[in-house]
Amino acid sequence: ETGVTQTPRHLVMGMTNKKSLKCEQHLGHNAMYWYKQSAKKPLELMFVYNFKEQTENNSVPSRFSPECPNSSHLFLHLHTLQPEDSALYLCASSQGRGPEQYFGPGTRLTVT
Amino acid sequence: DQQVKQNSPSLSVQEGRISILNCDYTNSMFDYFLWYKKYPAEGPTFLISISSIKDKNEDGRFTVFLNKSAKHLSLHIVPSQPGDSAVYFCAASASGGSNYKLTFGKGTLLTVNP
Repeated sequence: ETGVTQTPRHLVMGMTNKKSLKCEQHLGHNAMYWYKQSAKKPLELMFVYNFKEQTENNSVPSRFSPECPNSSHLFLHLHTLQPEDSALYLCASSQGRGPEQYFGPGTRLTVT
Repeated sequence: DQQVKQNSPSLSVQEGRISILNCDYTNSMFDYFLWYKKYPAEGPTFLISISSIKDKNEDGRFTVFLNKSAKHLSLHIVPSQPGDSAVYFCAASASGGSNYKLTFGKGTLLTVNP
């Protein structure tokens, strides 16, 4: 595997379910990010991790819970989501010394 | 309030002609700008970037121009090819700190017609 991978690619969940999104980067980067892309809106930064430490939480509701066990893996744990949380969730990584971020293919989440 | 604006939701261009995608920003602290391309069902792909100390950066068919006084940047694609059809996002960053936060525009859908 190369680059940034995300699983699953598609997820449909009910409002009472608990699920997790997984991201893995194979680029040797030290920073990882979660973004949300809703229809007709810009990409919204959710969380930033640098060397496994969370450095940014962009006022994200607590029903989204990130986890970064190491610099290569990032999870987003989901519970009691709302239909308006339906969106494309993108993971990205960067070297930290430069602004270029490299994105995974995203997980298309639908909350029913 | 949107700090990065792409005012054209879509652009249609004939193959072989020039595509010009525009982006405006409001935050004077932004000092690095990036363009990403996104195909359906894929994540954004980094295309080209420019630092605020430059006014032009060129990479093959892609050139980004920066006008700091106008807080405006543009991406030129010459010649345009059907494979360039995608959504193009402008992003901006302010240096400092341990990570660079990117602020994105809403994107412009480019369609290159054969």
